[in-house]
Amino acid sequence: EVQVVESGGGLVPPGGSLRLSCAASGFTVSTNYMTWVRQAPGKGLEWVSVIYSGGSTYYADSVKGRFTLSRDNSMDTLSLQMNSLRVEDTAVYYCARGLRYSAYDRVGLFYFDYWGQGALVTVSS
Amino acid sequence: DIQMTQSPSSLSASVGDRVTITCRASQSISRYLNWYQQKPGKAPRLLIYGASSLQSGVPSRFSGSGSGTDFTLTIRNLQPEDFADYYCQQSYLIPVSFGQGTRLDIK
Repeated sequence: EVQVVESGGGLVPPGGSLRLSCAASGFTVSTNYMTWVRQAPGKGLEWVSVIYSGGSTYYADSVKGRFTLSRDNSMDTLSLQMNSLRVEDTAVYYCARGLRYSAYDRVGLFYFDYWGQGALVTVSS
Repeated sequence: DIQMTQSPSSLSASVGDRVTITCRASQSISRYLNWYQQKPGKAPRLLIYGASSLQSGVPSRFSGSGSGTDFTLTIRNLQPEDFADYYCQQSYLIPVSFGQGTRLDIK
């Protein structure tokens, strides 16, 4: 059975840092696209970042320069390092697998097929 | 950036009804459009990918269509478990973007 599990959420003051981790069973994190999507309380889904299987990373403008997405191939885990956190970063953060539509499509075309249960990040003083 | 606009934002319907949710992209995304369902306190669930391909395990009463900039999600014979939030999403260009969501509730 495929499972995605996030960890590392919690309460942090504005300006602080937090590191989220994502692990999976049933597939290999390091050979797949992996993404983070967040959802602020009562709001819609907002894409945060993606890492391609080749290692390229991309970020939403709202987190660029503050968040860093990385992968540990030896541990087969994903990490989202969040620095300079703001109140508006408060959200449930979901880790998800990005599956390419087709190996014949250009790089970067994917959909999110497996999602974790989410990790709550609260930025508050 | 590609903006995704869903309509309506909310919708009331009854069990057994047929409903349609639309999603419009601010520029052409070919058929690279996906639909997700989300229930309160739960992670989103993939329903449709590539505009019209049904994800494994999703009931056939769900269907998607469209290409270019205009897409629809149709749910036939609504069941009690279908009352939820629905989101469209594109990854044709970075940044990935979602529609603002459509809340489907019981009339």
